[in-house]
Amino acid sequence: DTAVSQTPKYLVTQMGNDKSIKCEQNLGHDTMYWYKQDSKKFLKIMFSYNNKELIINETVPNRFSPKSPDKAHLNLHINSLELGDSAVYFCASTNTLGGAGRPDTQYFGPGTRLTVL
Amino acid sequence: GNSVTQMEGPVTLSEEAFLTINCTYTATGYPSLFWYVQYPGEGLQLLLKATKADDKGSNKGFEATYRKETTSFHLEKGSVQVSDSAVYFCALIAPAGGYNKLIFGAGTRLAVHP
Repeated sequence: DTAVSQTPKYLVTQMGNDKSIKCEQNLGHDTMYWYKQDSKKFLKIMFSYNNKELIINETVPNRFSPKSPDKAHLNLHINSLELGDSAVYFCASTNTLGGAGRPDTQYFGPGTRLTVL
Repeated sequence: GNSVTQMEGPVTLSEEAFLTINCTYTATGYPSLFWYVQYPGEGLQLLLKATKADDKGSNKGFEATYRKETTSFHLEKGSVQVSDSAVYFCALIAPAGGYNKLIFGAGTRLAVHP
């Protein structure tokens, strides 16, 4: 019954490696996001996909590449990992428009804690 | 641009004390406002929301009222419990052609002691 799920929950890896984080939502939403939470708990959007199309791409290094095989999945691949990539990464999903045409609530996954050594 | 400013934490209270966490925003257009909560080691959960001026969101004893005149969405609870210890995030979404971004405040850590 998990609405937004992410795997893995924890990821520990060496600098220079390539890793992927997966996200799936079973809410029937059309839009998915990746957020990064740094060590001070600050949350910032990275990417958003709407119906498999990239619609938001914040100033993120091109070592980060999101991929959406279908509208229920949004994966994040990270090449050449750096120490500064250590953070918690959250996936979220929503419908573009909720009631009365207003932006709808975003639902978050449990997060993936990435540690780069 | 759009931004959210929250009071800095940590906020430390005794059980049953009154809680206020201040949140003000700057937005183009007419935003929807949210409070999310992050319990230790967990993801973000929606606590409450309001989508238009004077709306009051409420959940689990928490309340916040959308005040357009003061651009504020302060979070309040009459009597906090130890289990309310968490980080609280105020956030807004400003409609922009359907491509909606949640803009978060910096978060306020609440610690409640018995």
